[in-house]
This record gives sequence, structure tokens and C-alpha cells, in this order.
Amino acid sequence: AQSVTQPDIHITVSEGASLELRCNYSYGATPYLFWYVQSPGQGLQLLLKYFSGDTLVQGIKGFEAEFKRSQSSFNLRKPSVHWSDAAEYFCAVVASGGSYIPTFGRGTSLIVHP
Amino acid sequence: DAGVTQSPTHLIKTRGQQVTLRCSPKSGHDTVSWYQQALGQGPQFIFQYYEEEERQRGNFPDRFSGHQFPNYSSELNVNALLLGDSALYLCASSADRGENNQPQHFGDGTRLSIL
Repeated sequence: AQSVTQPDIHITVSEGASLELRCNYSYGATPYLFWYVQSPGQGLQLLLKYFSGDTLVQGIKGFEAEFKRSQSSFNLRKPSVHWSDAAEYFCAVVASGGSYIPTFGRGTSLIVHP
Repeated sequence: DAGVTQSPTHLIKTRGQQVTLRCSPKSGHDTVSWYQQALGQGPQFIFQYYEEEERQRGNFPDRFSGHQFPNYSSELNVNALLLGDSALYLCASSADRGENNQPQHFGDGTRLSIL
């Protein structure tokens, strides 16, 4: 079965600084990978997804993520963080070629200082 | 175009009671999935409905059951509520049409508190 690890429970950055949120997965083949964002009291919004092809994926709100097979990682990045980016971020993995049951990490809480 | 809508937004129940949560999928979507998100955790998959049938199920007891209607809307029922059932329950829809690889759109959830 697949699993996801988000090693950072909280990340604090200053507004305008760059951001990288880490995600490591465990799965025998190439999975489908996703990043979602959740603002307080709301559901999850899809930021970006990787199915195959180019390993650098562009998403909404200026986010990007890079799939690195050798490191089993799918880290989320943003060059300049805005105060409105403060939220909970979830990485998710789906086993490719199988039943669509996403496994989510426990999330990373992003705090943005002015 | 309305997205995924869930009702109610908040609910308070006591142990042993039963609860029904409702979800209307995004227009054009035919597949509905339910998740339980405990405080400080990521969502955990409960089950998925397609063509009014439960297609996949996560590791949840039979106290959790569901239904999908011909208009693709769905209900999640939980019987014999336990304190540990307190969580945010998320509904997600997708236009799978059986393909199993479409990104899901989430509703804002129902916050269920058990006293």
C-alpha cells in the first residue's frame, strides 16, 4: 500500500520569501501525485497534479512541484509567498493503474509573517 | 457553476445517535467520495460511489454507510456514534465515468461534534 510523509508539521516564512514544502511517498511504481491546500473551515483545493511526463509541474497561485523518482519526493515550491498563502497543505498519492483511493499526508501548516 | 455543496455545515450529536450528512456533486460529476478528517490529520478515505453503487471502501467499520441517488447526490450515514467520530467530513466529486483517475473537487465539509 502507498503512504505519504510530510515531515514538517509547521513551516514559518516571511512574506516575500521563498517556500518549499516537503513530501515523500512510498509506492512500488510511479504514482499519481497531488498537492492540495485547505484554508481554515474550508475543503481542499487542488493546487497541482503529476501523472506522467515533465517532472516539473506548474499549478495555480504560482505554485510548482517537482517529481524526483530517485528520492521518492514531490516537493511543493513557491518563489515568493503572500500572506494569503497561510493555510494547511496536503500531499496525496494515488496508486497508478489501480483503484482511485488517494492517501493523504498529515499536512503542513504554513504560517506567513508580515 | 456551483461546486460541491455539503449540508449541514455543523452538527452536534451525542454518543449512540445516528447522523446523515448530505453532498451534492459539482455539475457534470458522477462520482462521489467521502473522507473523514480528524483534527490535525489529513483526510482519510471512507468510500466512493459511482452509478449508485459503493465502488471502493476504506478501512472504516460498517457503522459508516452511504448512498448515491440517480441525480448523483450522496448521503453518508453513521450509526451508533462514538466520541472518536468527531471530525470534519469531506465530500469530493469527480467526473470519473469509471476511469478512476480524475482529480477530485472537494466541498467545505460538515463539522460533526460528538458529546
